[in-house]
Amino acid sequence: DIQMTQSPSTLSASVGDRVTITCRASQSISSWLAWYQQKPGKAPKVFIYQASTLASGVPSRFSGSGSGTEFTLTISSLQPDDFATYFCQHYASYPRTFGQGTKVDVK
Amino acid sequence: EVQLVESGGGLVQPGGSLRLSCATSGFIFTNYWMTWVRQAPGKGLEWVANINHDGSQINYLDSLEGRFTISRDNAKTSVYLQMNSLRAEDTAVYFCVRQFLWGSGTLVTVSS
Repeated sequence: DIQMTQSPSTLSASVGDRVTITCRASQSISSWLAWYQQKPGKAPKVFIYQASTLASGVPSRFSGSGSGTEFTLTISSLQPDDFATYFCQHYASYPRTFGQGTKVDVK
Repeated sequence: EVQLVESGGGLVQPGGSLRLSCATSGFIFTNYWMTWVRQAPGKGLEWVANINHDGSQINYLDSLEGRFTISRDNAKTSVYLQMNSLRAEDTAVYFCVRQFLWGSGTLVTVSS
């Protein structure tokens, strides 16, 4: 199985900060990676797929990059609505494993 | 509007069974693989199983040890998860997923 490791587990930041979350795969997954945002009690919502494609309706302050084994999700200027937990997930093979999540909270 | 609505969750005793359903609408159901993902309380996400357009290809999380069965009914645009021999560690919200789009989930609690 491919292991997905996110860092950091928790990130404390302020509105307006540039935020970067990293996801590493234990073997190459090409660009078969998605990023999700999840808020408490809600289903995850896709923000990025195929490593760098912004999902419909997602603000342009979000961006994704990377290929192979190392990926990043960047929020260029953190907004109040962005405080949430973010998960990466690969879809290169089975099982489609997720990272453990990164909680972005208020500094 | 695309909709995925899960149902069938609830409280079940260890060793019991449940059948989850996911009713869909707003898209051409037969064009998509369908997936179940679960999330234990306060924990991360775990991919459970998926099924292709006509049910001829199915993949499962190995650790399920054959206890779960995914199926679909294209006429009813629905996907199902039959869960047998349930254990406490199966307690989770179960989400139905269509290519990155998630339903709101249904809670399964396994407890005596």
